[in-house]
Amino acid sequence: AQSVTQPDIHITVSEGASLELRCNYSYGATPYLFWYVQSPGQGLQLLLKYFSGDTLVQGIKGFEAEFKRSQSSFNLRKPSVHWSDAAEYFCAVAREYGNKLVFGAGTILRVKS
Amino acid sequence: GAGVSQSPSNKVTEKGKDVELRCDPISGHTALYWYRQSLGQGLEFLIYFQGNSAPDKSGLPSDRFSAERTGGSVSTLTIQRTQQEDSAVYLCASSTGSYQETQYFGPGTRLLVL
Repeated sequence: AQSVTQPDIHITVSEGASLELRCNYSYGATPYLFWYVQSPGQGLQLLLKYFSGDTLVQGIKGFEAEFKRSQSSFNLRKPSVHWSDAAEYFCAVAREYGNKLVFGAGTILRVKS
Repeated sequence: GAGVSQSPSNKVTEKGKDVELRCDPISGHTALYWYRQSLGQGLEFLIYFQGNSAPDKSGLPSDRFSAERTGGSVSTLTIQRTQQEDSAVYLCASSTGSYQETQYFGPGTRLLVL
């Protein structure tokens, strides 16, 4: 069965600093990978997704993620964090088309000014 | 157009009561998912509807949980004889059902069982 690990429960970064959120997945074949963000009291918003092709994926709000098969990782990065990026971030994996998402436990990002 | 909507946004009920949670997917989306977000379990898949196919109920935690989707659009998640451990945020998502689909999530229903 698929699983997703987000090893960092909380991360605090200074505004303007770079950010990397870690995600490791467990799945036998090439997975479909996603990063979602959830602001307090809000639903989940898709930041970016990877299905195939270029392993560096660009998303909304200046985020990018890199798929590394050898490390079973799909880490999320942003070169310069803004205070509005404070939220909870979820990595997720799906087997194929039309299938359920399996989520990691989430990483809460705090941005300090 | 409008996104996924869910109602009610908040629901407080007493242990043992039945509750119904509603999800209105994005118009034209054939796939609909229910997830549950709780402190102890994180985000968990509950059930998935795709067109007229039999739903994937593999994530429902007990037979007290059921869901239906009428007319291929609106879905209702029903929890019978609620327990305190059912307290959670219930999220609905929909997608086009096509290749490389993206699931779009609603704001959720926050359920508190006293």
